[in-house]
Amino acid sequence: SQKIEQNSEALNIQEGKTATLTCNYTNYSPAYLQWYRQDPGRGPVFLLLIRENEKEKRKERLKVTFDTTLKQSLFHITASQPADSATYLCAHRYSSASKIIFGSGTRLSIRP
Amino acid sequence: DTGVSQDPRHKITKRGQNVTFRCDPISEHNRLYWYRQTLGQGPEFLTYFQNEAQLEKSRLLSDRFSAERPKGSFSTLEIQRTEQGDSAMYLCASSLQGARSSEVTGELFFGEGSRLTVL
Repeated sequence: SQKIEQNSEALNIQEGKTATLTCNYTNYSPAYLQWYRQDPGRGPVFLLLIRENEKEKRKERLKVTFDTTLKQSLFHITASQPADSATYLCAHRYSSASKIIFGSGTRLSIRP
Repeated sequence: DTGVSQDPRHKITKRGQNVTFRCDPISEHNRLYWYRQTLGQGPEFLTYFQNEAQLEKSRLLSDRFSAERPKGSFSTLEIQRTEQGDSAMYLCASSLQGARSSEVTGELFFGEGSRLTVL
């Protein structure tokens, strides 16, 4: 079955550093991966999508990579700020028409 | 506000009672998803619709859970004979699904959720 894994341990980093979050998948090759941000008590908010034929995607201070050999996506936030503190969720879709499945999320804390 | 709306936002019920949640998606969106989320976990897939057709229901769901989207617009999620283990945040999301993967990102727009507490 499709399985997607994120590091369940919280990540604490100093403001200004680059935060890197990991998403691993097994047993399949997703058509694409999505990354979402979730604040406490709120619904997730879409950030970025990367397709299986793309290596890298950027949006402002965000960067996502997709390595189909390693079966892994990395999510980077450069020049991190305390306002970036949230839980970040990786989600995958097996095909363009299938359901979207989420990982367990990684909680990121940026200290001033 | 033209985002996804969910009602009620909070529901406290006694074990054994039935509860129903409603979701109004973004009007032009043809896909509608229901997820359940507990503290410290990611959203767990429950079911999803393409217009009025229910495409898949999680095998983790018991028969006490049922969802409908009768006219391809709003959706309801009903939980019968609630149990304490049903306590969670129930999230609804909608998206626009194109015929080809390159047409749209398929990003999900979530509502603020309905928090259920079963006593």
